[in-house]
Amino acid sequence: LAKTTQPISMDSYEGQEVNITCSHNNIATNDYITWYQQFPSQGPRFIIQGYKTKVTNEVASLFIPADRKSSTLSLPRVSLSDTAVYYCLVNYGQNFVFGPGTRLSVLP
Amino acid sequence: EAGVTQFPSHSVIEKGQTVTLRCDPISGHDNLYWYRRVMGKEIKFLLHFVKESKQDESGMPNNRFLAERTGGTYSTLKVQPAELEDSGVYFCASSQDRAYPLSEQYFGPGTRLTVT
Repeated sequence: LAKTTQPISMDSYEGQEVNITCSHNNIATNDYITWYQQFPSQGPRFIIQGYKTKVTNEVASLFIPADRKSSTLSLPRVSLSDTAVYYCLVNYGQNFVFGPGTRLSVLP
Repeated sequence: EAGVTQFPSHSVIEKGQTVTLRCDPISGHDNLYWYRRVMGKEIKFLLHFVKESKQDESGMPNNRFLAERTGGTYSTLKVQPAELEDSGVYFCASSQDRAYPLSEQYFGPGTRLTVT
């Protein structure tokens, strides 16, 4: 059974780097890892996507080890507005499986 | 550019009634997805359309749920008859016609369904 797991919650302070790890042990060759951010009463919003090694964009980095059984979303220098729920999504073939979401609280 | 829109934003119905949710994807997006999150649970994939064809509906919980996408534009998700356990937030997402690398999915704000 394809499963995606991640920590339920994390706390951080403004200006710190935050790393959120997702486990996806059953990931297959053609499956991708995508991270989404969600604020209350809104739909998830795309942050970053990767297949292997490292991907970086203007808001985050995504680190994927060689075995691809896990991935780490890295948010540099978080601010209060980064308080949200972060979801890891893996497409196991055509079946899209979300993790339970990590509630990140950024404190002043 | 308009994003994914969903209607209604909130629906309250009684057990046994019928409800139809609507999703309007971003113009030009061939892929349309339905997800739902019931209380305390994870966001679950329901099904995926490519244009008007159902690509994968393995996540549909049972035959009380019917999704359609006539003409490959907007989609509807009908629940008939609704049960208490159907309460939750139903999300729709769309993406461009590109399989690999996986297209970014754009999500709508969701429809909150409450069955009493």
